[in-house]
Amino acid sequence: DAGVIQSPRHEVTEMGQEVTLRCKPISGHDYLFWYRQTMMRGLELLIYFNNNVPIDDSGMPEDRFSAKMPNASFSTLKIQPSEPRDSAVYFCASSSSDRGPLEQYFGPGTRLTVT
Amino acid sequence: QKEVEQNSGPLSVPEGAIASLNCTYSDRGSQSFFWYRQYSGKSPELIMFIYSNGDKEDGRFTAQLNKASQYVSLLIRDSQPSDSATYLCAVNTGNQFYFGTGTSLTVIP
Repeated sequence: DAGVIQSPRHEVTEMGQEVTLRCKPISGHDYLFWYRQTMMRGLELLIYFNNNVPIDDSGMPEDRFSAKMPNASFSTLKIQPSEPRDSAVYFCASSSSDRGPLEQYFGPGTRLTVT
Repeated sequence: QKEVEQNSGPLSVPEGAIASLNCTYSDRGSQSFFWYRQYSGKSPELIMFIYSNGDKEDGRFTAQLNKASQYVSLLIRDSQPSDSATYLCAVNTGNQFYFGTGTSLTVIP
């Protein structure tokens, strides 16, 4: 089975532009997580979904960030407008309630650079 | 106080030695504890999890949990250069999930 798929792998954009990151979880997994990782702050949980429903979005930095999961096989994280401080690696991870939500499988990440 | 704290390191051990990585957590209600390994430029991968007090062994890895003292540790026996990575501790408390900032481990050949 394919792992978690993220696209794009790299994104360079200018401040003020809209950025959309995409994630396809592992088939059959009912949890999906979005993380952001920087050297300064480490790995931060932004939001997670269970059965396509957002459960906890308390980690979303501000209203510029939004996430959707329209179906079990696709999720997006959108930043509008983007700012240089949003530069980070964004990971998507998925897990199954059968094994426990923290037994997560991570995607390869999207490296975002905002200039 | 952060929910999960780890010594950032770097921790250096010679090849063949035991590497000991530690993590403390703040919420006594935390239920499950995980260790992830992250190689430079790669994504985290799960290597161990533990739910009950005591030790859990898997190959060269042993996870230790002490809920009374609120710490969890990871021991790596017979350390290999391929173990050089950052190790992230993660804790589940109810609907909340927290990661530590990670400990960088270098195994010197």
